[in-house]
Order: sequence, then C-alpha cells, then structure tokens
Amino acid sequence: SQTIHQWPATLVQPVGSPLSLECTVEGTSNPNLYWYRQAAGRGLQLLFYSVGIGQISSEVPQNLSASRPQDRQFILSSKKLLLSDSGFYLCALRSGNTIYFGEGSWLTVV
Amino acid sequence: AQSVAQPEDQVNVAEGNPLTVKCTYSVSGNPYLFWYVQYPNRGLQFLLKYITGDNLVKGSYGFEAEFNKSQTSFHLKKPSALVSDSALYFCAVRDWGGSYIPTFGRGTSLIVHP
Repeated sequence: SQTIHQWPATLVQPVGSPLSLECTVEGTSNPNLYWYRQAAGRGLQLLFYSVGIGQISSEVPQNLSASRPQDRQFILSSKKLLLSDSGFYLCALRSGNTIYFGEGSWLTVV
Repeated sequence: AQSVAQPEDQVNVAEGNPLTVKCTYSVSGNPYLFWYVQYPNRGLQFLLKYITGDNLVKGSYGFEAEFNKSQTSFHLKKPSALVSDSALYFCAVRDWGGSYIPTFGRGTSLIVHP
C-alpha cells in the first residue's frame, strides 16, 4: 500500500522568510499529487495539483508555489511568507478513485 | 459542476447511541462519494466510499453510509457511538466524468459524550 511522508511536521517561521515543505510517497508510481491547506481546523483548500514530473496546476493564486522534481516528490515553497500563510498543509495522492492524505505539516508564521 | 454540503457544524451524541452525520451533494452526472475522518492535529483518514452498486456502504471502525440518489444524500452512520469517535468528519464528492479533484464539505465536528 502507498505511504505519504511529510516534513517537517511543525514549523514556526517569521514573516518574510522562505518556506519549503516536502512530501514524498512510497508504494506507487506516477501518482497524482495534491497540496491542500486547512485553516482554522476546518475546510480544505486545494492549492496545487500535479499529474506528473514538472506538471503543476495552481488552483488558487497566492504567495505559494509548488514543484515536482521527481515522480514521488512534491514540494511546496514560498519566497516570502505572509501571516496569512499560517495553517495546516496536507499532501495527498490519488490511488484509483480515492484520495489519501499524509499527516500534515503545521506552519505558524510569526 | 460539483458541490457538497454538510449542514451541521457540530453533532452531539451520547456514547452507545446511534449517530448520523449528514451530507448532501450535487453533480452533473453520477457521483463518487467519500467520507473521511480527521482527529486533532492529524491528516484526513479515508473511511469509506460509494462508487456504484449497493446503496449501503460499510467502512472502517464500524461506520457505514447510505447513498440515496433521489435525495442526493450520503449520510454517515454508526449504530453505537464511542467516545473515541469524536473527531471532524468530511464528506467529499466527485463527478464520474470530471477531473480527479473532489470537492470537500466544510466538515462536521462529532462529539460523543460519555
């Protein structure tokens, strides 16, 4: 079965600093990968979607970017963080008809 | 277009009683429907899904959901609630003919009282 690894699990960063959140998956090849953000412990916002290496779809214009340098690696980045970037970031993959989520990364921008 | 609604922000139930968490959906074609559970500070865990076939779907941890096409609903149920079932529950829908991007509801907080 597939496994999703996210790191770091928690991160506290000052406003204006860069960001890199990493997601790697195991047990699958050429997966569809997703980055979601969850604010205030509630609704999910789809940020980015990737169907393959170097192929990124941005769902929401914002301060963040994503890259997929390898088949099983998906990275979420920012050059300069804003306070509003704080939240719980979830990486996910599609297996068949179902999306599965990683354990998430908590980002607090101070 | 696809959409999903979870009309209750919070559901309270006593331990041992049956529970229902409501979900209604809207799609252009036929739906794929999903339920996920999220415990505090954790990712979402897949519980169950409806693709086709039997309208009653059984999933993890004793949960089940009933697909009702006429009412466009997919309510999550459990015959006897446990305190450990207390968590945030998300319903999601995807149109058969659509992209592989489901739409998630806003979540329902289930609180099971001892």
